Amino acid sequence: SQTIHQWPATLVQPVGSPLSLECTVEGTSNPNLYWYRQAAGRGLQLLFYSVGIGQISSEVPQNLSASRPQDRQFILSSKKLLLSDSGFYLCAWSVRGAQPQHFGDGTRLSIL
Amino acid sequence: RKEVEQDPGPFNVPEGATVAFNCTYSNSASQSFFWYRQDCRKEPKLLMSVYSSGNEDGRFTAQLNRASQYISLLIRDSKLSDSATYLCVVILGGNTPLVFGKGTRLSVIA
Repeated sequence: SQTIHQWPATLVQPVGSPLSLECTVEGTSNPNLYWYRQAAGRGLQLLFYSVGIGQISSEVPQNLSASRPQDRQFILSSKKLLLSDSGFYLCAWSVRGAQPQHFGDGTRLSIL
Repeated sequence: RKEVEQDPGPFNVPEGATVAFNCTYSNSASQSFFWYRQDCRKEPKLLMSVYSSGNEDGRFTAQLNRASQYISLLIRDSKLSDSATYLCVVILGGNTPLVFGKGTRLSVIA
């Protein structure tokens, strides 16, 4: 069966520090991969999605970037975090086509 | 007009009640539809897909009305454990990402 791993579960970072969140998927090949952010009490905001290695689509301009160095690995990064980057970050995967997504446990990021 | 719209609630209902949520979508070319459930401070989880003919999973019934561009979720005999936020999700098609509504919050009260 397929599983998705996302870490860390929680993270507290100072303003201006770098960020790297990692997400890996097991049990499937060539998945679509997604990064979302959810601010407290708000809806899901799609940040990036990828349909293949090295292929990244950015949904909103921001302080973040994403990379997909391997088929089942998706990384969310920032060179300098802002206070507004605080939130709940979720990685998700899906098979190709109009199929539902499955989420990792999420990373709760607090910027101080 | 937002792509997917939901009443944010909260819907506060007693145990055993029947409650229904609606969700409207703007793009008539949308192909697939789902309901997700999100518990507080947790990730969203797929609750059920929504098929054109309507579908049922235990106490949950989902329906799609393409003509009016809305989907619905009916929960019968509500349990305390049904308390959560219910997200309406639409896919335009192909490899496009899912479009999530902002969710409807349900609180089932003893």
